[in-house]
Amino acid sequence: GQQVMQIPQYQHVQEGEDFTTYCNSSTTLSNIQWYKQRPGGHPVFLIQLVKSGEVKKQKRLTFQFGEAKKNSSLHITATQTTDVGTYFCAGPAVINKFYFGSGTKLNVKP
Amino acid sequence: NAGVTQTPKFRILKIGQSMTLQCTQDMNHNYMYWYRQDPGMGLKLIYYSVGAGITDKGEVPNGYNVSRSTTEDFPLRLELAAPSQTSVYFCASSSTAFEAFFGQGTRLTVV
Repeated sequence: GQQVMQIPQYQHVQEGEDFTTYCNSSTTLSNIQWYKQRPGGHPVFLIQLVKSGEVKKQKRLTFQFGEAKKNSSLHITATQTTDVGTYFCAGPAVINKFYFGSGTKLNVKP
Repeated sequence: NAGVTQTPKFRILKIGQSMTLQCTQDMNHNYMYWYRQDPGMGLKLIYYSVGAGITDKGEVPNGYNVSRSTTEDFPLRLELAAPSQTSVYFCASSSTAFEAFFGQGTRLTVV
């Protein structure tokens, strides 16, 4: 079955530092989604990437989809305490059957 | 907007008991999903549905059953609960291969 691996598992940063999480798939993905889950909350959709080499930005968040469509990254510039949570990538095995990565838990120290 | 509603929010079951986790959405989404999330872990797909009357297995379907008689509802049935089913269960829905909306989750403990 499809595997979507995410690294690192945990990241502790000082407020103001940058943060990056990486997602790697064993197979080519038609698209990839990113979600954020606050502690005790439910996953909330952030963005979807579809095109090879695509880069999208949301304020301090930058999302990239690899040229081979097998990897993706999420980069946060100048983290804030509101960025705390777990970030998941999700890739489809078949249409609408999304498999989630293991997630990267981000802790931001004020 | 209600979005995706899950009930109950919390439940404690004894080993061998059965229960149904309810999930309903008011967005007229065709696609619905059940995931489980063990402590500190990612989400594992249990079952999904692409429309009323159509369901299929995900990664971890053993010990669970689902039905989809209407577009709105997608209940998850646990038969003969086991401690390994202690987890947080999330229901989600989407209109196409795009943004999935998640419910608040059901925290289940089997003792």
